[in-house]
Amino acid sequence: GENVEQHPSTLSVQEGDSAVIKCTYSDSASNYFPWYKQELGKRPQLIIDIRSNVGEKKDQRIAVTLNKTAKHFSLHITETQPEDSAVYFCAASPPDNQGGKLIFGQGTELSVKP
Amino acid sequence: GAVVSQHPSRVICKSGTSVKIECRSLDFQATTMFWYRQFPKQSLMLMATSNEGSKATYEQGVEKDKFLINHASLTLSTLTVTSAHPEDSSFYICSASGHRNTEAFFGQGTRLTVV
Repeated sequence: GENVEQHPSTLSVQEGDSAVIKCTYSDSASNYFPWYKQELGKRPQLIIDIRSNVGEKKDQRIAVTLNKTAKHFSLHITETQPEDSAVYFCAASPPDNQGGKLIFGQGTELSVKP
Repeated sequence: GAVVSQHPSRVICKSGTSVKIECRSLDFQATTMFWYRQFPKQSLMLMATSNEGSKATYEQGVEKDKFLINHASLTLSTLTVTSAHPEDSSFYICSASGHRNTEAFFGQGTRLTVV
């Protein structure tokens, strides 16, 4: 089955700097890659997603890139702010006809220092 | 966006008892729902896929007799933790989708504590 690896596990940056989180996946047929932000005790919140027919997607300070050949995708946050501090998860959706099934990476705890 | 409601948000139960958690899609029909488990400072681990009107599909290593899943309607799936033990204490969270390859909508999660 699908396996998703995420790095780094923790990331500390200064306010205003950029943050990059990387994920790799194992199933080349996976076709949907969302990123979630989760605050303590709360549900994951979708922040951006990308499908396998697109190489890059941007939404204001957040961007995601996908390299299908290498089977990796990355989250880029620019001009980080203290409120960006949270745990971020990448995920991959395997193509087993069950829309919404997600295999998650291990998570990255991002800390943005003012 | 679509709304998924999960209930209860917190529950404390005694060892040996059973606990039922409900996951409802409020404004769309969810043909498929998913149940995840999350230990502190860890990732979400897929436990099972719940399909309306059929048996759930469990991930490897998840005991189907311990985690009973019922998806009796297009808007409701339930997870029952049977004969709960302290090691079952965790954050359980559901998600729902309407059709293939769409965004998953998450419930609020249920913090289960078994004492």
